[in-house]
Amino acid sequence: GAVVSQHPSWVICKSGTSVKIECRSLDFQATTMFWYRQFPKQSLMLMATSNEGSKATYEQGVEKDKFLINHASLTLSTLTVTSAHPEDSSFYICSAKLAGGTYNEQFFGPGTRLTVL
Amino acid sequence: AQTVTQSQPEMSVQEAETVTLSCTYDTSESDYYLFWYKQPPSRQMILVIRQEAYKQQNATENRFSVNFQKAAKSFSLKISDSQLGDAAMYFCAYSNSGYALNFGKGTSLLVTP
Repeated sequence: GAVVSQHPSWVICKSGTSVKIECRSLDFQATTMFWYRQFPKQSLMLMATSNEGSKATYEQGVEKDKFLINHASLTLSTLTVTSAHPEDSSFYICSAKLAGGTYNEQFFGPGTRLTVL
Repeated sequence: AQTVTQSQPEMSVQEAETVTLSCTYDTSESDYYLFWYKQPPSRQMILVIRQEAYKQQNATENRFSVNFQKAAKSFSLKISDSQLGDAAMYFCAYSNSGYALNFGKGTSLLVTP
């Protein structure tokens, strides 16, 4: 149980276009989902916290208008990278916290590799 | 803000031997959670072990155990009987009531035959 999927697993886009990444909890409800960004050989950096039915909370330094997050249901959160540029190329990972769960445990998706040309 | 420090960028261990990965953290909270995650080349994050700060007993999961020293704010991971499949990046992470995970920079573990 506790499976999180991400789609797409990898995407290549042209500079200036927008890309949407989906994060789904397949077998549980997630009131809270998190979006992380990981550059090569680096750690995961929290970008934003997404709560179902409310606006996302962004970490300092993350542009809200560039990284649009929507958490419309208890099983789906989306991250849209708007007007993508080469510096946005990275590995994006989502995680979901089990509603009513304990231990603050998060279940991670497999990640999405974004390459902006 | 809470910080998590992993001072060993790389570690190496021989198969069947034991290795300990270090992690220290800084927090003013009294109630929190600590985790070790494994990230293999596939980059899928896998939970290895977790520890609740209010529990004095060190967590154990098969070949993986932790040494949790709350006063010293230390949380090391011991891997016993190392296997080739243990080779990966290992991240120490902290979380409190805010739920978000704060990760250390990671330790790359190499397992040699």
